[in-house]
Amino acid sequence: GAGVSQSPSNKVTEKGKDVELRCDPISGHTALYWYRQSLGQGLEFLIYFQGNSAPDKSGLPSDRFSAERTGGSVSTLTIQRTQQEDSAVYLCASSLGGGANNEQFFGPGTRLTVL
Amino acid sequence: GIQVEQSPPDLILQEGANSTLRCNFSDSVNNLQWFHQNPWGQLINLFYIPSGTKQNGRLSATTVATERYSFLYISSSQTTDSGVYFCAVNFNKFYFGSGTKLNVKP
Repeated sequence: GAGVSQSPSNKVTEKGKDVELRCDPISGHTALYWYRQSLGQGLEFLIYFQGNSAPDKSGLPSDRFSAERTGGSVSTLTIQRTQQEDSAVYLCASSLGGGANNEQFFGPGTRLTVL
Repeated sequence: GIQVEQSPPDLILQEGANSTLRCNFSDSVNNLQWFHQNPWGQLINLFYIPSGTKQNGRLSATTVATERYSFLYISSSQTTDSGVYFCAVNFNKFYFGSGTKLNVKP
């Protein structure tokens, strides 16, 4: 079946603009995660959804970052007034459930470049 | 939060050699995954292994949860094994190590 998909695959924007990144999880997966990976670095957790609610937003780096999930499926990560330090690959993952014992599957990522 | 340390940070192998990658974590965890990030950036699931040993072809993984470590063993390495290997542990949320960058030379 289809895996996790993300769009766009690449986004170049100017400093100060808003951007929206989209994630389509695997069908039937109730848990969804957003991560950020800067060049040559590991993965930084941003936010976790269980269904439409976000029990853990602790990783969002500033109030310019927000995310929502509607219908328990698609999620959108929004970055307002982008800064150059926001440039990174944004990765989305989903898992069957939201508990501790569920395997994550990752999408291909969105590469964001802020000029 | 939980600390996850991976070693070695970098590894260069000649094709055909074997290697062991290690992941240590600072607290009890509920699950552990190993991923391979290929040169195009895609994270590929290798193992979901909260405890015990699993094998898949030339790769095997062992997690000893009580001792707070896991290792990934790659046998007869191939150039296509190159990339970054991450372990991730779950304790309320997922924590990733900083990865082992593997370069397999022909």
